[in-house]
Amino acid sequence: GAVVSQHPSRVICKSGTSVKIECRSLDFQATTMFWYRQFPKQSLMLMATSNEGSKATYEQGVEKDKFLINHASLTLSTLTVTSAHPEDSSFYICSARVWLEMNTEAFFGQGTRLTVV
Amino acid sequence: QKEVEQDPGPLSVPEGAIVSLNCTYSNSAFQYFMWYRQYSRKGPELLMYTYSSGNKEDGRFTAQVDKSSKYISLFIRDSQPSDSATYLCAMNPPGAQKLVFGQGTRLTINP
Repeated sequence: GAVVSQHPSRVICKSGTSVKIECRSLDFQATTMFWYRQFPKQSLMLMATSNEGSKATYEQGVEKDKFLINHASLTLSTLTVTSAHPEDSSFYICSARVWLEMNTEAFFGQGTRLTVV
Repeated sequence: QKEVEQDPGPLSVPEGAIVSLNCTYSNSAFQYFMWYRQYSRKGPELLMYTYSSGNKEDGRFTAQVDKSSKYISLFIRDSQPSDSATYLCAMNPPGAQKLVFGQGTRLTINP
């Protein structure tokens, strides 16, 4: 299957600082990538849809100015958590869509565990 | 009512048992159905996908879709401890970018 690489896998930062998470499609071009947040023992919560060369589309309730998404190339999307606070601590996962038999299937990165102290 | 309902478990079975995981959905527009496996602290991994009613088999895994009942299942035969993970169902209508996920079922296979 397609490979999506997410980096870093784990990060600890101080409250008030910003953290950037990278998501790369390694063997294909992804015009659309998705960013999810996952709390312990819960399902994935879609934060935003990232389209290459245009502004991201955020889900209701997600702060655009806090979670900055950039999709400058067909193989890279980044999520920056600005002025992070402890409540932003979570597991963040990206995914990219690949066409498979008339539908696009999602392949996920390994996830980034963010801890804000 | 959620669009996709999935029992979160936890589900614990002995090694070698047949496991049945299920999801129900309310949106008849959903046409594509996926099952993902997620190990602890990892991203989800696509296991199987199907876009028609009936069964699709891949090794020890069988995905079943019943569109008339809006019900999908994943069966795992000869379950192994390495199958212990959270299993998420996901689906979307044709042309939609976003997937709708179930809550995920935590499965433990006991040696």
